[in-house]
Amino acid sequence: ETGVTQSPTHLIKTRGQQVTLRCSSQSGHNTVSWYQQALGQGPQFIFQYYREEENGRGNFPPRFSGLQFPNYSSELNVNALELDDSALYLCASSLDTTGDYGYTFGSGTRLTVV
Amino acid sequence: RKEVEQDPGPFNVPEGATVAFNCTYSNSASQSFFWYRQDCRKEPKLLMSVYSSGNEDGRFTAQLNRASQYISLLIRDSKLSDSATYLCVVNGKSNYQLIWGAGTKLIIKP
Repeated sequence: ETGVTQSPTHLIKTRGQQVTLRCSSQSGHNTVSWYQQALGQGPQFIFQYYREEENGRGNFPPRFSGLQFPNYSSELNVNALELDDSALYLCASSLDTTGDYGYTFGSGTRLTVV
Repeated sequence: RKEVEQDPGPFNVPEGATVAFNCTYSNSASQSFFWYRQDCRKEPKLLMSVYSSGNEDGRFTAQLNRASQYISLLIRDSKLSDSATYLCVVNGKSNYQLIWGAGTKLIIKP
């Protein structure tokens, strides 16, 4: 059983650019949630995808968008990058949308915006 | 007021000691509660879920007090490998959303 894999592991982008982060969910998990974790803070919920549709969204602007594919893998896209977007981006998969059975996290993508 | 609040620490504790963390949450409708552990520059990993009746897993005991809206984690006989940041997590107004505390840093010293 494979866990959650994220790519790339590290990324440096320039302010104003666009970035795409990728996540492969754990086998058997149909729900993917994305979180942003700034240094010294807890993760902040960005959005969740279930059956290829956005199932819920946190307090993030529209320039944060996502996709989920038929194999349940997911992408997080961020347009017009800002310096404050520098953070660890975590993808978590779960058996269902409630997370009652727990979440499995990937090791994250560390994004630095300069 | 933050939705989930934790003492950031760090807690500096000698090996073998018992240490306790508390966490308060603001949403009285929250139904799911968790403790996660996060090592430096790594992803969070589920330590344990917290049940209404309290639960224990080896050296770790978690308790929930719904009336006062706080969650606790007790670590007995602490090991050097327990050094990490411990994150308190509750589900938000929508079940799909986890609300995280900023974490409590624990340093176990030999």
